[in-house]
Amino acid sequence: QSALTQPRSVSGSPGQSVTISCTGTSSDIGAYNYVSWYQQHSGKAPKLMIYGVTKRPSGVPDRFSGSKSDNTASLTISGLQADDEADYYCCSNAGTYVIFGGGTKLTVL
Amino acid sequence: EVQMVESGGGLVQPGGSLRLSCAASGFTFSSFTMDWVRQAPGKGLEWISFISVSSGTRYYADSVKGRFTISRDNAKNSLYLEMNNLRAEDTAVYYCAAEVDEPLSFDYWGQGTLVTVSS
Repeated sequence: QSALTQPRSVSGSPGQSVTISCTGTSSDIGAYNYVSWYQQHSGKAPKLMIYGVTKRPSGVPDRFSGSKSDNTASLTISGLQADDEADYYCCSNAGTYVIFGGGTKLTVL
Repeated sequence: EVQMVESGGGLVQPGGSLRLSCAASGFTFSSFTMDWVRQAPGKGLEWISFISVSSGTRYYADSVKGRFTISRDNAKNSLYLEMNNLRAEDTAVYYCAAEVDEPLSFDYWGQGTLVTVSS
């Protein structure tokens, strides 16, 4: 049950776009369309941003989008805002268990 | 308003036991699968357990299998995690989470409860 692979950090300036990748295997990301993404501000509980690879919960801005190709999922944040600065985690089904990515720290310059 | 409130965390010695609770309100608890997710200090999220609506299906991460037991009481809108034979590496904030929209959509989270395993 190894963690999904995410870059440790990404950064961008306000208004720019950034993409965070999440690499798994054919047994998790590649096998299921149950990939979700979570935003976590320091000291707070995680917040669901994307589920089912591409779906946005009510209230999440359309600046956040998700995609998947083979064993890699991606989260793209466009029109970066200061409040987007947080840790982001991907998550995938893997049959009888669930795997999270190691997390990516997004810095808004 | 949706609320999930964890309780039961604290300081416990290695080898000891704790029982965590998660009280849910503001949504139909009995209709959704539930999970426990933990986060060690300064580390990432780690899924540890899942329970189906009827409690008929339960899954565990290898790291806790055989030591932790998940359960729920739909009449009390509550989720539980019985933790035995605790180890230092179990030190973490423990969150309960509800899968609402579809599998793996952890829509609702509690605020977390800190478990510290230390002598």
